Amino acid sequence: DTEVTQTPKHLVMGMTNKKSLKCEQHMGHRAMYWYKQKAKKPPELMFVYSYEKLSINESVPSRFSPECPNSSLLNLHLHALQPEDSALYLCASSQDPRRGGRSYEQYFGPGTRLTVT
Amino acid sequence: SQELEQSPQSLIVQEGKNLTINCTSSKTLYGLYWYKQKYGEGLIFLMMLQKGGEEKSHEKITAKLDEKKQQSSLHITASQPSHAGIYLCGAASTANAGNNRKLIWGLGTSLAVNP
Repeated sequence: DTEVTQTPKHLVMGMTNKKSLKCEQHMGHRAMYWYKQKAKKPPELMFVYSYEKLSINESVPSRFSPECPNSSLLNLHLHALQPEDSALYLCASSQDPRRGGRSYEQYFGPGTRLTVT
Repeated sequence: SQELEQSPQSLIVQEGKNLTINCTSSKTLYGLYWYKQKYGEGLIFLMMLQKGGEEKSHEKITAKLDEKKQQSSLHITASQPSHAGIYLCGAASTANAGNNRKLIWGLGTSLAVNP
């Protein structure tokens, strides 16, 4: 099973709303990622969790708040977003590079299409 | 500057034709990944190459990494409409395992296959 699930599939929110994106994997992966993707661009890394601890924050604004409650779940809490934050948000997971000392392929979820009005 | 150059940017082929997409870097790559993406959907992992000269195949898709580990090609034989989508190459640019969670990406190649 190489499935990463994401909910919701689509989300429309106002600039004053608070919402959360959810991601789940059951592959035993200990690295989980949030990416933001704009149209016709490659994914931009936002956050990386390794063994449930935040290991990379790519200078993401504080209106995005990640959370990793356990090894299978990853959340992205959204608050006071701007229209320019509208994008496809992708979650991914992989074996952690520390295991075996090499890089591992990342498996992506289907994404959440976020529109901020 | 873009560290991974992908070419061509877009490609339209007739069904049944062969095609090649290239991904090039000026630096040594320590892990090269090929993904496919349909518009508005997630990325589908195709193949990963790590060793210089390595070649992998899956169904009608073959990917190669050159000996210097600076260029990869993705070749599709006898293309079908199901091959249409955006092909992205991503790479780990450091041998430091602790740092290669962050991939660098090419800008993608948009492939259309006409029936």
